[in-house]
Amino acid sequence: DQQVKQNSPSLSVQEGRISILNCDYTNSMFDYFLWYKKYPAEGPTFLISISSIKDKNEDGRFTVFLNKSAKHLSLHIVPSQPGDSAVYFCAATPRAGGTSYGKLTFGQGTILTVHP
Amino acid sequence: DTEVTQTPKHLVMGMTNKKSLKCEQHMGHRAMYWYKQKAKKPPELMFVYSYEKLSINESVPSRFSPECPNSSLLNLHLHALQPEDSALYLCASSQEGRLPNTEAFFGQGTRLTVV
Repeated sequence: DQQVKQNSPSLSVQEGRISILNCDYTNSMFDYFLWYKKYPAEGPTFLISISSIKDKNEDGRFTVFLNKSAKHLSLHIVPSQPGDSAVYFCAATPRAGGTSYGKLTFGQGTILTVHP
Repeated sequence: DTEVTQTPKHLVMGMTNKKSLKCEQHMGHRAMYWYKQKAKKPPELMFVYSYEKLSINESVPSRFSPECPNSSLLNLHLHALQPEDSALYLCASSQEGRLPNTEAFFGQGTRLTVV
């Protein structure tokens, strides 16, 4: 049962253009969402997060949008740079107090390639 | 210091061996985690320690035994593993175990091969 889904295994974008990575979730208990970036042979690195009380969070070139009714979030990177090429994981965690509290559930990841 | 340090980086062990993976952080984080990642799959949670107490065990087989000696250290003891346990084992920590697992910092992982 895949509770967090990233349906695009890969995405290829030209440098300077916008990259849009998508993520869907099924568990309505999820309350906080995060994006991680992972280079080969390294652990995931936290990128940006959003709480369910917001619909947008921006940090420099990275913006995360959350549509709670659609159970969908997206990560926008603009402008994209070759150094952004990596695997991007969407992750979600439930509300405080539940039995799964403290657990991150990851999507399968999307490989982003930014061409010069 | 925003690092989570894992040792060793690579480990090859036989099915009858006993070995341990180590994880260390000095960020004052009180929640620490073990994740397992197989090739082309997302990380999957194994254990969560909050304030040095085990708070989540995701039905992990007993051949994996976690230990949190103090707030900075997290170990994973391995015994009688199977070849299918070969994976990247990731340690992570975050600021507060009682709050959502926000902005967890991950180590580089230990690449484990069971032969």
